[in-house]
Amino acid sequence: QSVLTQPPSVSAAPGQKVTISCSGSSSNIGSYFVSWYQQLPGTAPKLLIYDSNMRISGISDRFSASKSGTSAILAITGLQAGDEADYYCGTWDRSLSAGVFGGGTKLTVL
Amino acid sequence: EVQLLESGGGLVQPGGSLRLSCAASGFTFTRYAMSWVRQAPGKGLEWVSSIGASGGDTYYADSVKGRFTISRDNSETTLYLQMNSLRADDTAFYYCAKDRWSTGSSSSGLDYWGQGTLVTVYS
Repeated sequence: QSVLTQPPSVSAAPGQKVTISCSGSSSNIGSYFVSWYQQLPGTAPKLLIYDSNMRISGISDRFSASKSGTSAILAITGLQAGDEADYYCGTWDRSLSAGVFGGGTKLTVL
Repeated sequence: EVQLLESGGGLVQPGGSLRLSCAASGFTFTRYAMSWVRQAPGKGLEWVSSIGASGGDTYYADSVKGRFTISRDNSETTLYLQMNSLRADDTAFYYCAKDRWSTGSSSSGLDYWGQGTLVTVYS
């Protein structure tokens, strides 16, 4: 079981908006920044969002993120077929003194 | 251009050892923390270990604590993961990743990743 909870899958049609949630606790998301990663099939993960809501240079502004309390959300607007991937949230956990990831969410563009 | 090149993966029997290496280039290695993250085939990401820029602070997942040791050679810009007492559930792709900050306990994000090296523990 992952420390951070994500929905296993989400789906939406091209052009639509989708959100992916990441739920944690006061010892992780509640106390630290959240980062978001995209992993296309057969490739290494790629950082999309750092410091909870900052886009990495070169990442489309269709990707945005926010954090509130012990939860975080990644939003993707104007969905494209190329957005189909697994998405992971990550942060640090004070109680574990360890990094933690969510279980991952598979995005399907219908 | 930042490059992280992992090596050292392979087949090993339960109880065996392996040493992974990650050769880094294209950035000032001594300024950033580094991490190892693994992914079992068809599964999600699992954080394994991190080390601060100076090597003075190290952290481990409970699943590997006491069996794995992370280290770095700043003069050679290389990150290591010594893995002992390997178990079947250690089978995974192991990724080396660069942190955005210098401390091993950073939550800012891992901004560059290698392509991974596969470790298979079989009996």
